[in-house]
Amino acid sequence: EDQVTQSPEALRLQEGESSSLNCSYTVSGLRGLFWYRQDPGKGPEFLFTLYSAGEEKEKERLKATLTKKESFLHITAPKPEDSATYLCAVQSSNTDKLIFGTGTRLQVFP
Amino acid sequence: GAVVSQHPSWVICKSGTSVKIECRSLDFQATTMFWYRQFPKQSLMLMATSNEGSKATYEQGVEKDKFLINHASLTLSTLTVTSAHPEDSSFYICSAGDRDRNNYEQYFGPGTRLTVT
Repeated sequence: EDQVTQSPEALRLQEGESSSLNCSYTVSGLRGLFWYRQDPGKGPEFLFTLYSAGEEKEKERLKATLTKKESFLHITAPKPEDSATYLCAVQSSNTDKLIFGTGTRLQVFP
Repeated sequence: GAVVSQHPSWVICKSGTSVKIECRSLDFQATTMFWYRQFPKQSLMLMATSNEGSKATYEQGVEKDKFLINHASLTLSTLTVTSAHPEDSSFYICSAGDRDRNNYEQYFGPGTRLTVT
């Protein structure tokens, strides 16, 4: 069964304190791994898609990496506006469905 | 690009009534749209997959007669919650797969907050 586990469940960081969020997955043939950001009361905002192990993508202070078993979302020198829930999802090769993890709630305080 | 809208953004209805939620892809064509439900502090749970011009595919445990889905065009899908009850109160979110990217990437709408009194 396809499964996604995210850790930690919640993370509090001081502004400028870099850290990483983890997404472990098991899937029958990975088509893609997705990272989304979700603010309270809003829909998820697309961040990255990773397709194969070794791939990396960057956007501002965020960098996503992928191995055969997990993905990391690295946050460099975060700012309070980076506070949100970060969701990881996988898509297997035989379906268009996304399987979501439970998310990591990130709080960055000044 | 890749903008998905939902309407309404929030709705309050009385128990027993029906509510329709619209999901539109504004700047791309979506062969497939997805409907999710999200309870407070929980992740997104897929309810159904909607394909343009055909019947929706519902996830296990989702009542197809209660949650009616119509995908009449490549830019519009609707979810109708029939005979709503307080336990149907939730945050409903749609997503649309970009047909030009073979649905690999899905873009989400802003969500609809449904409260049933």
